Amino acid sequence: SYVLTQPPSVSVAPGKTARISCGANNIGSKSVHWYQQKPGQAPVVVMYYDSDRPSGIPERFSGSNSGNMATLTISRVEAGDEADYYCQLWDSSSDRVVFGGGTKLTVL
Amino acid sequence: QVQLVESGGGVVQPGRSLRLSCAASGFTFSNYAIHWVRQAPGKGLEWVAVISYDGRNQYYSDSVKGRFTISRDNSNNTLYLQMNSLRGEDTAVYHCARPHGTTTIWNWFDSWGQGTLVTVSS
Repeated sequence: SYVLTQPPSVSVAPGKTARISCGANNIGSKSVHWYQQKPGQAPVVVMYYDSDRPSGIPERFSGSNSGNMATLTISRVEAGDEADYYCQLWDSSSDRVVFGGGTKLTVL
Repeated sequence: QVQLVESGGGVVQPGRSLRLSCAASGFTFSNYAIHWVRQAPGKGLEWVAVISYDGRNQYYSDSVKGRFTISRDNSNNTLYLQMNSLRGEDTAVYHCARPHGTTTIWNWFDSWGQGTLVTVSS
């Protein structure tokens, strides 16, 4: 089965740039989506189709996907960005939805 | 606005059954596939199952296949998850989630319910 690998945690100072990776074999050939989840809340999509930003998500959020790595980049990080982030895709070979293990973003 | 409200969670003994519901409103339910996604306490998101907009197609994760059944009642705008032979590892908050776009099954999730907690314990 397809496995998405994320770092368990990423720490960044306010105003700096956070990069959250999502690795898998040839992930660049698939469409990756990203969700933000704050404690006690349902997930919210922050990026879809690799690099499309939903309305209401700040331009500070961007995404990329190539080769064996997809990345969610958050520029000028704010305290309110502290949350868990999950990558997700559809594995067409098995007709399954796959989530990464999640990355806890800590704003120092 | 789109609303998905789960119910039916609770404490259940291992080996027993439970049925979850997801009541939808604010959109034409019969035009959308709907997924179940769960999250064990302190853990990440895990996809469980999906049913097509017309109920004809269902897909399951390997961890629940053969034990769980997803179904829907389009006349009552409600999604169900029948969970049989429950195990401790099924303990989680269960969310229903709507993929973006009508009729499509496999797309990013644009709406989520708050979830209902299922605890499997003796």
